[in-house]
Amino acid sequence: EVQLVESGGGLVQPGGSLRLSCAASGFTFSSYSMNWVRQAPGKGLEWVSNISSSSSTIYYADSVEGRFTVSRDNAKNSLYLQMNSLRAEDTAVYYCAREGITGRYYMDVWGKGTTVTVSS
Amino acid sequence: QSVLTQPPSVSGAPGQRVTISCTGSSSNIGSGYGVHWYQQLPGTAPKLLIYINSNRPSGVPDRFSGSKSGTSASLAISGLQAEDEADYYCQSYDSSLSGSTVFGGGTKLTVL
Repeated sequence: EVQLVESGGGLVQPGGSLRLSCAASGFTFSSYSMNWVRQAPGKGLEWVSNISSSSSTIYYADSVEGRFTVSRDNAKNSLYLQMNSLRAEDTAVYYCAREGITGRYYMDVWGKGTTVTVSS
Repeated sequence: QSVLTQPPSVSGAPGQRVTISCTGSSSNIGSGYGVHWYQQLPGTAPKLLIYINSNRPSGVPDRFSGSKSGTSASLAISGLQAEDEADYYCQSYDSSLSGSTVFGGGTKLTVL
């Protein structure tokens, strides 16, 4: 079964850091670009970051550029999101999602999400 | 303010047909980038419903269909069922924003 499982969410103070992980199974992880997408409470979906299959190309939304770093370990079938200088507005459920076809941008497999709360 | 504009809500009675619009611009939908649609049931992760304008992943009923014209796209749901009540999001790529995937603000579908 194709599956993505996020972990690492929690409560963190403003200015703090958190590292999210996404474990992939059931498909050849190293062949796919991956995304992080977040959803603030009661709000819509917001794309956060994209990383190509070989990590050669990485993109970030303006709202997280310079604070978040995406990475992957194809040997461990894992995707990561290092989040620094966290703000209250980063509070959200964070989903990892597989890009169906590289360059076509749609996301065909999603994890269930992990919740990040930034509050003092 | 989302780059892609969707109506906040639509509604319909069981068995009816509803459409959800997604309006973009020349830097996203109008540039030929595909439009994709997701269904998000309450308390769950989004699910891919339509990809590249009009393609359905396996397992998605043919009651769901997508189309695109110019700088806009539409999702149509025919034979409405109670279980279709959910939030629906459109998504595309915007060439004016580096590497940026963009989502619509979402549309809440209520089955009356």
